[in-house]
Amino acid sequence: GAVVSQHPSWVICKSGTSVKIECRSLDFQATTMFWYRQFPKQSLMLMATSNEGSKATYEQGVEKDKFLINHASLTLSTLTVTSAHPEDSSFYICSVPRGAETQYFGPGTRLLVL
Amino acid sequence: GEDVEQSLFLSVREGDSSVINCTYTDSSSTYLYWYKQEPGAGLQLLTYIFSNMDMKQDQRLTVLLNKKDKHLSLRIADTQTGDSAIYFCAEGKDAGNMLTFGGGTRLMVKP
Repeated sequence: GAVVSQHPSWVICKSGTSVKIECRSLDFQATTMFWYRQFPKQSLMLMATSNEGSKATYEQGVEKDKFLINHASLTLSTLTVTSAHPEDSSFYICSVPRGAETQYFGPGTRLLVL
Repeated sequence: GEDVEQSLFLSVREGDSSVINCTYTDSSSTYLYWYKQEPGAGLQLLTYIFSNMDMKQDQRLTVLLNKKDKHLSLRIADTQTGDSAIYFCAEGKDAGNMLTFGGGTRLMVKP
């Protein structure tokens, strides 16, 4: 069964609104979670590393004030897309490392900003 | 910087073997992964190989690693229509760090 869940699966919103996406690890705890973004027909690009108990680490070119990350607990990280615009429409996927060898991905959240 | 490359597309007939290739540049990669993504879905971990291994077999899947050439391949035996998906290779130092993904190979299986 799934070990990482994301909510919501789909979200359609108006331009200018904020959208919160949750990523939960179901069977294990994680001090680190990753947020990726995937545009149509493209690969996954890392956006940021979510760290429990400290600030997230953002990749170059990702605006930290626009993509707010909160690692609320050892099983939950949230990504909030603030003042979303159509260019933010994408597939957002979180991943959670488990042990030293494996990293499990959530099912993804598809965001469409009108 | 780190780079992972894959061919874009592969088409095979049902029952044949599929071989998806991947090259990477980071010689310090510790783990190399293969993920499967079906349309509209997240990524499913298929298998991974530690960098000191040459081969790993898991049922219909065989992973070959040529560390000298930084070349990774995934062979799917007896390919089925349900194997049609996009396959991503990825490399990382370990699972606790970020993964760098290839662009994905779209596998189409024809009946």
